[in-house]
Amino acid sequence: KNQVEQSPQSLIILEGKNCTLQCNYTVSPFSNLRWYKQDTGRGPVSLTIMTFSENTKSNGRYTATLDADTKQSSLHITASQLSDSASYICVVILNAGNNRKLIWGLGTSLAVNP
Amino acid sequence: DTGVSQDPRHKITKRGQNVTFRCDPISEHNRLYWYRQTLGQGPEFLTYFQNEAQLEKSRLLSDRFSAERPKGSFSTLEIQRTEQGDSAMYLCASSSNRVGTTGELFFGEGSRLTVL
Repeated sequence: KNQVEQSPQSLIILEGKNCTLQCNYTVSPFSNLRWYKQDTGRGPVSLTIMTFSENTKSNGRYTATLDADTKQSSLHITASQLSDSASYICVVILNAGNNRKLIWGLGTSLAVNP
Repeated sequence: DTGVSQDPRHKITKRGQNVTFRCDPISEHNRLYWYRQTLGQGPEFLTYFQNEAQLEKSRLLSDRFSAERPKGSFSTLEIQRTEQGDSAMYLCASSSNRVGTTGELFFGEGSRLTVL
């Protein structure tokens, strides 16, 4: 069964600290993996897209890693800011070129406190 | 602003009424998607269009739901005889599948529906 599992479900950190969010997937055939940030009451915003051959990709203070062998991905946030408080969703694309076959995780809810 | 725009952002209606949501995608995007999201859940696929053709509808989309994209640009999602279970955020997204693009989805801010 195609599934995406994320951990932790929720996380509270202090401003300025780093954190790492995890995503494990059992999706085949794999095309690419995406991390989205979703603020409360707003639409998801793409942070990174990683294909099978990519191990790491950065977008500012966000760094995503992918291990296609173990089917794990992580999202590392450096020097967190209050505006990082949001839900972070891992999405795995089942095959290339067809966005409807997206397998969504339930997200990690991150709260950054001052 | 050249992103995906949705209207209205919020809609409160009484059970049994009809509602319509509009989505204006990024202008050069040929694909348009509708998703539904409830609290604490990821977006659930409803339907998608390539240009003006509706290529797939989820089984979640009952016969009370209808979506159109008549000219391959903006799209509307209509819900007839609303039920309380229809209360959710309705998200629209667009993408391009043309050569040289990543196929990345760009989401609108969503239309939140509350059925009383």
